[in-house]
Amino acid sequence: EDKVVQSPLSLVVHEGDTVTLNCSYEVTNFRSLLWYKQEKKAPTFLFMLTSSGIEKKSGRLSSILDKKELSSILNITATQTGDSAIYLCAVDPYGGSQGNLIFGKGTKLSVKP
Amino acid sequence: ETGVTQSPTHLIKTRGQQVTLRCSSQSGHNTVSWYQQALGQGPQFIFQYYREEENGRGNFPPRFSGLQFPNYSSELNVNALELDDSALYLCASSLDGTSGFYTQYFGPGTRLTVL
Repeated sequence: EDKVVQSPLSLVVHEGDTVTLNCSYEVTNFRSLLWYKQEKKAPTFLFMLTSSGIEKKSGRLSSILDKKELSSILNITATQTGDSAIYLCAVDPYGGSQGNLIFGKGTKLSVKP
Repeated sequence: ETGVTQSPTHLIKTRGQQVTLRCSSQSGHNTVSWYQQALGQGPQFIFQYYREEENGRGNFPPRFSGLQFPNYSSELNVNALELDDSALYLCASSLDGTSGFYTQYFGPGTRLTVL
């Protein structure tokens, strides 16, 4: 059975800290891995990582895909209270042709002032 | 560019009833996927619609059904509601292109409570 596992499930840090969120996957097919941030309801897209694009960076957020280890990390540097959210990792096995993103349970990040 | 919108925001139903949830895809997107997110869990794929046809389905019973309209908006229908159907229902739209890589953009969801 295809699965995506995220760790830790929850994390509490203070503003200014750097955090690393982990995502590992066991899937029959792999096309891409996506990271989303979910604050209240709508998951908002952060990054897509593929075999030809294994590292992405946007501001204080960066992500790396390790296809050999079947895993990915999401780094957030100099955290702010606005980074508090659930971070979801998802694998797209078929490139969207069948729509089924496989999600992990998410990591709940709380950033204290 | 308009984002994905969903209605209603919240809904309360009783067991056995039927419900219809609605989704308008992001401008220019032709593919809609539906997900169920139970409390404390990641979203679970229900099904996807592309050009008004179901194009992939997750492990959900037939009482979960859907439609996509010519303007690419979509409906999710759930019959014979059960308590376990209480969840956040998310709609995501994407543009089916030729690159082979599709980013799904999510709406704010509909919170369904079944009593």
